[in-house]
Amino acid sequence: DAGVIQSPRHEVTEMGQEVTLRCKPISGHNSLFWYRQTMMRGLELLIYFNNNVPIDDSGMPEDRFSAKMPNASFSTLKIQPSEPRDSAVYFCASSLATGGSETQYFGPGTRLLVL
Amino acid sequence: AQKVTQAQTEISVVEKEDVTLDCVYETRDTTYYLFWYKQPPSGELVFLIRRNSFDEQNEISGRYSWNFQKSTSSFNFTITASQVVDSAVYFCALSEPYNAGNMLTFGGGTRLMVKP
Repeated sequence: DAGVIQSPRHEVTEMGQEVTLRCKPISGHNSLFWYRQTMMRGLELLIYFNNNVPIDDSGMPEDRFSAKMPNASFSTLKIQPSEPRDSAVYFCASSLATGGSETQYFGPGTRLLVL
Repeated sequence: AQKVTQAQTEISVVEKEDVTLDCVYETRDTTYYLFWYKQPPSGELVFLIRRNSFDEQNEISGRYSWNFQKSTSSFNFTITASQVVDSAVYFCALSEPYNAGNMLTFGGGTRLMVKP
């Protein structure tokens, strides 16, 4: 079975440009999570969706960040305008939420560099 | 508030040595879950184990074993006879499903270097 798929795997952009990261969760999973990993702050949860609905976006750093999940098999994380401090690895994870706390399976990540 | 502490930021061992990675957590909830993930140099996060707060039995999987002790709020991970391929960053994580949904709170990670 395919795991979580993320694209692109690497992204280099210039400050001020719009960046869109994409995620396809594991088929059948109903929860999707976006994380950011940096050396300074470690792994941080940005937002998570349950059944395509955003449940908690308190980790989204500011209005420049937005996330959508138009259907059960696709989500995007958009940064506009991007800034150098957004440089990080962005992970998407999915799980099958059944009322407890099910295991999250992570994608390979998108390494973003904003110049 | 949830908190996960991995006090060892970096550990270096020689191949075939046993090594234990510490994880201490804080939670006010009686129902919670603990996880370990491995992040090899390639960068992906690989799930290793999930444990709920009602199951304190130790777990062994090959060279890996986990010691869960509620009395000390610890969930330590031991690798027996370490190998170079075990070199990675290991993360401990906590989830409180009834207070914080399915969100994971990660520790800062422990970088393990296994030298040949």
